[in-house]
This record gives sequence, C-alpha cells and structure tokens, in this order.
Amino acid sequence: GAVVSQHPSRVICKSGTSVKIECRSLDFQATTMFWYRQFPKQSLMLMATSNEGSKATYEQGVEKDKFLINHASLTLSTLTVTSAHPEDSSFYICSAPQGGGNTIYFGEGSWLTVV
Amino acid sequence: DAKTTQPPSMDCAEGRAANLPCNHSTISGNEYVYWYRQIHSQGPQYIIHGLKNNETNEMASLIITEDRKSSTLILPHATLRDTAVYYCIVRVDGGTSYGKLTFGQGTILTVHP
Repeated sequence: GAVVSQHPSRVICKSGTSVKIECRSLDFQATTMFWYRQFPKQSLMLMATSNEGSKATYEQGVEKDKFLINHASLTLSTLTVTSAHPEDSSFYICSAPQGGGNTIYFGEGSWLTVV
Repeated sequence: DAKTTQPPSMDCAEGRAANLPCNHSTISGNEYVYWYRQIHSQGPQYIIHGLKNNETNEMASLIITEDRKSSTLILPHATLRDTAVYYCIVRVDGGTSYGKLTFGQGTILTVHP
C-alpha cells in the first residue's frame, strides 16, 4: 500500500480562488518533504522543499507567496496554490524520504484544473 | 548531481527483456544510480539503485559498467503494465541533497502485445 498519500487526487477550482493539497507520510515521520509539479508530456520539476518547523525552501523561479507550503507536523505537509490561474493547472506530486534518505516515497499525485 | 542521458523512447515485446540504457559520464565516486518509473497519471515508483556493483531485486536488475559511466536497467520479462516513463537519476545519498531528486526527460518504454 501507499506510504505517502496525497489528497485530493483531483480538484477543479475557479480562477482566483485558492486550493490546498495535502501530503501525508504513513507509518513514518518525515521532517522533510518535497513538492514537484509536472505539466503534460514533461518531466517532474522540483518546486520546493518542505521543512517541519521551519520555512520552506523554494527553487528558483517558484513564487513563494503563490505556492504556500506548511509542514504542520512530522507526517503532514500542505501546498496551497493561492489566487489560482489556468496556467497553474498541473499535476502536483509530493515525496518524502524515509530513514537516512536512501528510500524516497512519492505520493499518488494531485491533478489541479483551474477554470 | 551528475547529469544523465537516456534515449527518449524504446519499444519492447511482451515477455521479452527490456534493456534501458543510461549514460552518466560525469558521475562522482559517491553518487548512486537510481531508477524510478512513472506510469501515466501516477507518482513515480522506486525500482532499484546501486553504487558500483550490479543489483537485482524482484522488479529488475541494474548493471553498472566498471567505470560507472553508464548503466542498464533490465526488466527480465516485460509485461504490458511495465509501459511507463523510466527515469535514471544519479545522486549523492544524504547530505545537502537529502531526499531531493532531479528528474531528466526519461525513457518512454512501450511494451507491445
């Protein structure tokens, strides 16, 4: 079964609204989680590193005020897309390393469609 | 992390072995070779990883050349469900890159009946 779970798997929201995506590690604690974005027919692009108890680290070109990340506990990180626009429509995926970091589990992904 | 080069696509007949190559000529001595795959509309799935010895698990085998500049992922008996994008990633375990993966374009493997 899945060891990293994302919710929701699919979401449709109106342009200008905000939407939250959750990433949970099951049966293990993750002080660090990662958020990726994937557009159709493209590879995964790392957006940010979510750190429990501190601010997230964003990759170059990713707007921190638009993509809010909160690592509320050792098993939960959330990504909130604020003031969503159609160009934010994408597949969002989280990952969490277990143990020493050699084993990295990915969530099932969340499809966001902004209309 | 070292850059990798993979063919954009490959075909394989069901039941035959699928051999997916990856070049990583700038790999450092402490970098591991990881393979993940992504089936359409799903999150990536870990397959196998290795440092310099060949590795085998229930999913696949990983053959790393002696100079470590290239590797081959082998799916011994490909099935239709193995159709996916396969990513070869080279990374250092732990340290400042803890848990972070850099994905290239990968190889689209299509398994035909």
